[in-house]
Amino acid sequence: NAGVTQTPKFQVLKTGQSMTLQCAQDMNHEYMSWYRQDPGMGLRLIHYSVGAGITDQGEVPNGYNVSRSTTEDFPLRLLSAAPSQTSVYFCASSPSGDRVETQYFGPGTRLLVL
Amino acid sequence: LAKTTQPISMDSYEGQEVNITCSHNNIATNDYITWYQQFPSQGPRFIIQGYKTKVTNEVASLFIPADRKSSTLSLPRVSLSDTAVYYCLVGPPYYSGAGSYQLTFGKGTKLSVIP
Repeated sequence: NAGVTQTPKFQVLKTGQSMTLQCAQDMNHEYMSWYRQDPGMGLRLIHYSVGAGITDQGEVPNGYNVSRSTTEDFPLRLLSAAPSQTSVYFCASSPSGDRVETQYFGPGTRLLVL
Repeated sequence: LAKTTQPISMDSYEGQEVNITCSHNNIATNDYITWYQQFPSQGPRFIIQGYKTKVTNEVASLFIPADRKSSTLSLPRVSLSDTAVYYCLVGPPYYSGAGSYQLTFGKGTKLSVIP
């Protein structure tokens, strides 16, 4: 299994541009989440999904959209990038029925918004 | 959401036992306590989880007193490779409705192991 994969690894955007961060897992996990981590800070939950077709907002959802059309994929869309969205983004997944804390994290996407 | 408080940083020599305490005064009845480890440029990795008393696995031990208002992660005989940031999380173990699956990572404790 590849586990949780994220693309791209690094991205530079200009203010106002839109883009999609990709996240995929091959472990048939029901739960998937997106976090952002700012320098010297912990992770903050953006959006999460408990299964295909079901999404919910986390702590910092503004400026981001998600959808979950398949179990495997959970893309994160930045609608109009702002410098405040410069961060490292982590995707995570967890199996259904298991405690949600036992999440498996991807390697992260570093985003710089100029 | 239960708020957690941890020391910002700790130093330890190789071979010593390290104890990192986390305070969570407003923990809810159905909340579990979980610890994650994060190395630079990597995503967090699950270490251990518990509800009460003591839990031990091959990596660490977790001590939770009866009032559950704090918990202590114990790392036996640390090595240089244990240098990382350690996060204490408190939250419900299962999704139980909209808005319930909210796990908060604080700033964590940066552990530096010295040769």
